[in-house]
Amino acid sequence: GENVEQHPSTLSVQEGDSAVIKCTYSDSASNYFPWYKQELGKRPQLIIDIRSNVGEKKDQRIAVTLNKTAKHFSLHITETQPEDSAVYFCAASKGHSNYQLIWGAGTKLIIKP
Amino acid sequence: DSGVTQTPKHLITATGQRVTLRCSPRSGDLSVYWYQQSLDQGLQFLIQYYNGEERAKGNILERFSAQQFPDLHSELNLSSLELGDSALYFCASSVAGTQSYNEQFFGPGTRLTVL
Repeated sequence: GENVEQHPSTLSVQEGDSAVIKCTYSDSASNYFPWYKQELGKRPQLIIDIRSNVGEKKDQRIAVTLNKTAKHFSLHITETQPEDSAVYFCAASKGHSNYQLIWGAGTKLIIKP
Repeated sequence: DSGVTQTPKHLITATGQRVTLRCSPRSGDLSVYWYQQSLDQGLQFLIQYYNGEERAKGNILERFSAQQFPDLHSELNLSSLELGDSALYFCASSVAGTQSYNEQFFGPGTRLTVL
């Protein structure tokens, strides 16, 4: 079945630097890729998503890129700030009503002051 | 605040017992999802209901069951509890039945501790 691998499991970056989290998926029919952020002790929240008909999507300091050929997508956070510290989850789905989101294992992002 | 409510916030019980977790979705949302998150672990999808019907099933144990009522609130029943069932249980809701192109709004979670 579909599998989503997420790397790294932990990422520590200096405040102000950029952070990149990568996910690979196994099913080439996947066409929807959301990213959720979970701050410590809080609920996951959608921060950005991308569909397979675009290669990149930006929202202020956050961007997601998709490489359908290589079957991977990445979350890019620029000018990191302390409030970016959280666990980030990627996911993938095929877009049909009967298909589930397949979740990555999560990346703990630590922003060092 | 996502608009999704979960009760209780915390639950402490003993092995072998049965508990019920409750979730009320956002107004207008027809889908409800249940997730399990063990300490420092990822989100494990358990089950989805859409407008009262089971829509998708994930890694849900046979000891666990769920249902969605006509008013769209949902309950997750966990029985014959084991120590390993201790986790944070999230409920999420969304407007549509598909898990694609469809933001899920998570509740605050119920922290279950099995002693």
